[in-house]
Amino acid sequence: EDQVTQSPEALRLQEGESSSLNCSYTVSGLRGLFWYRQDPGKGPEFLFTLYSAGEEKEKERLKATLTKKESFLHITAPKPEDSATYLCAAGGYQKVTFGTGTKLQVIP
Amino acid sequence: GAVVSQHPSWVICKSGTSVKIECRSLDFQATTMFWYRQFPKQSLMLMATSNEGSKATYEQGVEKDKFLINHASLTLSTLTVTSAHPEDSSFYICSARDLGGANNEQFFGPGTRLTVL
Repeated sequence: EDQVTQSPEALRLQEGESSSLNCSYTVSGLRGLFWYRQDPGKGPEFLFTLYSAGEEKEKERLKATLTKKESFLHITAPKPEDSATYLCAAGGYQKVTFGTGTKLQVIP
Repeated sequence: GAVVSQHPSWVICKSGTSVKIECRSLDFQATTMFWYRQFPKQSLMLMATSNEGSKATYEQGVEKDKFLINHASLTLSTLTVTSAHPEDSSFYICSARDLGGANNEQFFGPGTRLTVL
């Protein structure tokens, strides 16, 4: 059975304090590892897709990396507006399995 | 690009009534749309996969007679919660995969908050 585990469940950072979120996955025939951002009461917003180990993608203060067993979302010098829940998902063409997310709070 | 809308954004209904939620891909065509539900502080749980012109595929434990899905066109899928009960209260989110896109990512709608009294 496909599994996606995210850690930590919650993370509180001071503005400017860099950190990383972890996503461990066990998926047969991985076709993509996805990162989303979700604000309270809203649908997830697509951030990145990673396809193969060693791949990296960046967007503003976020950088996502992928190994054969896990993915990391690095947040460099975060700002309060980066506060959200970050979801990781992994899967094949038809179905993706979501992790439970990391709730990030960035304090000014 | 890749915008997905949902309507309504929230709905309150009485127990026993039916509620229809629409999911539209606004600027792309989607042969496949997905319906999820999300409980507070939990992740998204896939309910069903909807393919244009064919019957939806439901996940184990999801009642197909209770959650009716219709995918009538490449830009519209609907979820009807029939005879809704308080335990059906949840946040329902749809997503769509771009037919012409090179990647497999799903683009999500803003969600619909259903409250059954």
